[in-house]
Amino acid sequence: NAGVTQTPKFQVLKTGQSMTLQCAQDMNHEYMSWYRQDPGMGLRLIHYSVGAGITDQGEVPNGYNVSRSTTEDFPLRLLSAAPSQTSVYFCASSASGLAGADTGELFFGEGSRLTVL
Amino acid sequence: GDSVTQMEGPVTLSEEAFLTINCTYTATGYPSLFWYVQYPGEGLQLLLKATKADDKGSNKGFEATYRKETTSFHLEKGSVQVSDSAVYFCALSAPWEDSNYQLIWGAGTKLIIKP
Repeated sequence: NAGVTQTPKFQVLKTGQSMTLQCAQDMNHEYMSWYRQDPGMGLRLIHYSVGAGITDQGEVPNGYNVSRSTTEDFPLRLLSAAPSQTSVYFCASSASGLAGADTGELFFGEGSRLTVL
Repeated sequence: GDSVTQMEGPVTLSEEAFLTINCTYTATGYPSLFWYVQYPGEGLQLLLKATKADDKGSNKGFEATYRKETTSFHLEKGSVQVSDSAVYFCALSAPWEDSNYQLIWGAGTKLIIKP
């Protein structure tokens, strides 16, 4: 069972470049979300989706785009990378809400470490 | 707004030592509380949870009790092993838009267990 798969695991970009972080889950979860993790801070919600075709902004959405054309995939696009976007990015999925309200369980990918020079 | 505060790490212990990782929170209402763990090279995974005051969550020898009077959810283990070396995150569920809930996260505490 693959669970949540994120690619790439590591990426270095130059300021102004664009890229897409891929996220796929094979658990048929309706809820998917992207977080960023910065030193000394907790995970912060970037964007989320409650089902195919439905996306919305989280706490820190600026500079990022998402789409959800299928239940399985939820890519995160950086439109014009900035050094402030240097971070570790996590994709998560849940069968019941952003917080996995019924079970309390979010399923996470291994993370993507992005450095913007 | 709602927030979670964890003790800063890294926390370094010897094998078989007693572990406490402190977590306190501020929240309106009565959130559910969670501990997640991230082992090296892996994604975060749920370790334990508690949904109401005085509940005790437990898993893999770890325990945490939801203390409403002290707004705390400290993680404890009686005898740690090298395999417990990981980063531990405390989190609470908070209302979000459209009747959703999202998780508010602590900064994480890195635990290093030496043989």
